[in-house]
Amino acid sequence: NAGVTQTPKFRILKIGQSMTLQCTQDMNHNYMYWYRQDPGMGLKLIYYSVGAGITDKGEVPNGYNVSRSTTEDFPLRLELAAPSQTSVYFCASSYSWHHRGYGYTFGSGTRLTVV
Amino acid sequence: SQELEQSPQSLIVQEGKNLTINCTSSKTLYGLYWYKQKYGEGLIFLMMLQKGGEEKSHEKITAKLDEKKQQSSLHITASQPSHAGIYLCGARSGSYQLTFGKGTKLSVIP
Repeated sequence: NAGVTQTPKFRILKIGQSMTLQCTQDMNHNYMYWYRQDPGMGLKLIYYSVGAGITDKGEVPNGYNVSRSTTEDFPLRLELAAPSQTSVYFCASSYSWHHRGYGYTFGSGTRLTVV
Repeated sequence: SQELEQSPQSLIVQEGKNLTINCTSSKTLYGLYWYKQKYGEGLIFLMMLQKGGEEKSHEKITAKLDEKKQQSSLHITASQPSHAGIYLCGARSGSYQLTFGKGTKLSVIP
């Protein structure tokens, strides 16, 4: 029962470098989400997807891109890393959009530092 | 946009004591979720409340929803070190999104 798997767990990037944060789920959830968590700021939604081939911007999408070619995978791409992107990134999935009784299932996070 | 305010921001209690965490919404609540996060880990779903007056319990954790006050409370009875962590409330904002509070950090001293 893997749930939501994120890789890598930790990463240090130099300013201007690019990377992809991987997220995969094995629960056949249609809905997937990317959040970032900054100290004292709670969780902010970056992008979300309601199914394969469908993505949309959340609250803080600038500097990021996503794709959803399969139900299982929802990678997050950082093209030109900036210090402001230093954060902990969480991927989550859910069975239905109204979340009735299920809530989200979260991955364990990727801690990213941009120097 | 909806905002969720949690209080207190942090809490230190002695093992065995009871405590309450509050979550107040700026807009009407259509479901309120409680999650727990341990350092270096993801969020664990605790419970969801949907109707005004609803109350749910899981082990020693009880959550209530007051729709009129647009508020939910999370109560822990006889706290244990295993209860330590960050508690976050979340509520539906928009069709497909959950908005989260900033979290309440709970420390339990033996």
